[in-house]
Amino acid sequence: DAGVIQSPRHEVTEMGQEVTLRCKPISGHNSLFWYRQTMMRGLELLIYFNNNVPIDDSGMPEDRFSAKMPNASFSTLKIQPSEPRDSAVYFCASSTGTRPGESRFFGPGTRLTVL
Amino acid sequence: GNSVTQMEGPVTLSEEAFLTINCTYTATGYPSLFWYVQYPGEGLQLLLKATKADDKGSNKGFEATYRKETTSFHLEKGSVQVSDSAVYFCALSTNSGGSNYKLTFGKGTLLTVNP
Repeated sequence: DAGVIQSPRHEVTEMGQEVTLRCKPISGHNSLFWYRQTMMRGLELLIYFNNNVPIDDSGMPEDRFSAKMPNASFSTLKIQPSEPRDSAVYFCASSTGTRPGESRFFGPGTRLTVL
Repeated sequence: GNSVTQMEGPVTLSEEAFLTINCTYTATGYPSLFWYVQYPGEGLQLLLKATKADDKGSNKGFEATYRKETTSFHLEKGSVQVSDSAVYFCALSTNSGGSNYKLTFGKGTLLTVNP
């Protein structure tokens, strides 16, 4: 299996621009998660989808952030407009479920730099 | 709420030295415990896990035992290699309150192993 696939791996953009991050979860996994990693805050859960439906988006920082999962094999995280404080590594992760002890598989991440 | 406390790094060892990274937790409900590893430039990978008290998780020479009485899950390895250099995250999930999908992470411990 190819694992969780994310694109792009690196993104450099200017403040105010729209940024779209993409994720392909592992086939057969019905739970998908977007995380943000920064030195200051560590790993933060942004949003959780189950069977393509957003279950918990309480971690999305503000209205500039939005996420979609149009089908079981694709999800996007969009930032519009982007700001320098959005610079971070964004991870997508998937799992077969959320039972206790369920393993979660992370993608390689997208390193976003907003100038 | 749930929280995970890891020993602060960085930890620097010589090859073949013994490794311990301390992890303690607080949790509502009965937690499952995990260690994830993040190699430079990559996403997190599950290293090992334990789902009930006194269980020992092990993988690649690493071990951790779920100690309910001390609320701890310390990571150990008898002889580290240069290739073990990475950031190690302790994490937990619980099945209480309908939020079993939430994985609470520690801040991570950077390990550097020198030849």
